[in-house]
Amino acid sequence: AQSVTQLGSHVSVSEGALVLLRCNYSSSVPPYLFWYVQYPNQGLQLLLKYTSAATLVKGINGFEAEFKKSETSFHLTKPSAHMRDAAEYFCAVSSRMDSSYKLIFGSGTRLLVRP
Amino acid sequence: GAGVSQSPSNKVTEKGKDVELRCDPISGHTALYWYRQRLGQGLEFLIYFQGNSAPDKSGLPSDRFSAERTGESVSTLTIQRTQQEDSAVYLCASSPGWGEGGGNEQFFGPGTRLTVL
Repeated sequence: AQSVTQLGSHVSVSEGALVLLRCNYSSSVPPYLFWYVQYPNQGLQLLLKYTSAATLVKGINGFEAEFKKSETSFHLTKPSAHMRDAAEYFCAVSSRMDSSYKLIFGSGTRLLVRP
Repeated sequence: GAGVSQSPSNKVTEKGKDVELRCDPISGHTALYWYRQRLGQGLEFLIYFQGNSAPDKSGLPSDRFSAERTGESVSTLTIQRTQQEDSAVYLCASSPGWGEGGGNEQFFGPGTRLTVL
């Protein structure tokens, strides 16, 4: 069975500092991996996805993530945090073996950005 | 273009009552998903539609939960005899259903916040 673990329910950074949100997955087959962001009182928005092409994936708003098979990780980074990045971030996995392609989500990480 | 819409945005009901939640997916999207987000937790999958069929209902927590989809469009999620543990945000997502398959983006609606008193 697939699963996703996000280390740290809350991460706090200063404006301008590096953002690192951790995601580890468990999957018996090469996965599809996603990062979604949820701003307050809004729906989920896709930041980026990995579908077996380049292992370094660039997304919107300056975010990127690197797929590391050996570490079963897909950590999300941004070189310089902005106040507008404050939101909840969800890592998710879906399986090539599951014809529904349903998403299995981590429990989320709330990013706080200090001025 | 129009995104995924859900109604109502908020629903307060009394324990034991039935509720219906509605989802309007993006036009032309054949895949439709329902997820539930409990307070402080990630999203949990409930059910998947391809067209009007539901080949994966594995996430429905009990037989009090059911869903249908008509015209390869609108879907309704029905919860019968609601319980307090059903309180959550219910999110609907749609996806093209072709192309990248599992790599397709799922587009999420704003959700329905259900509170069972």
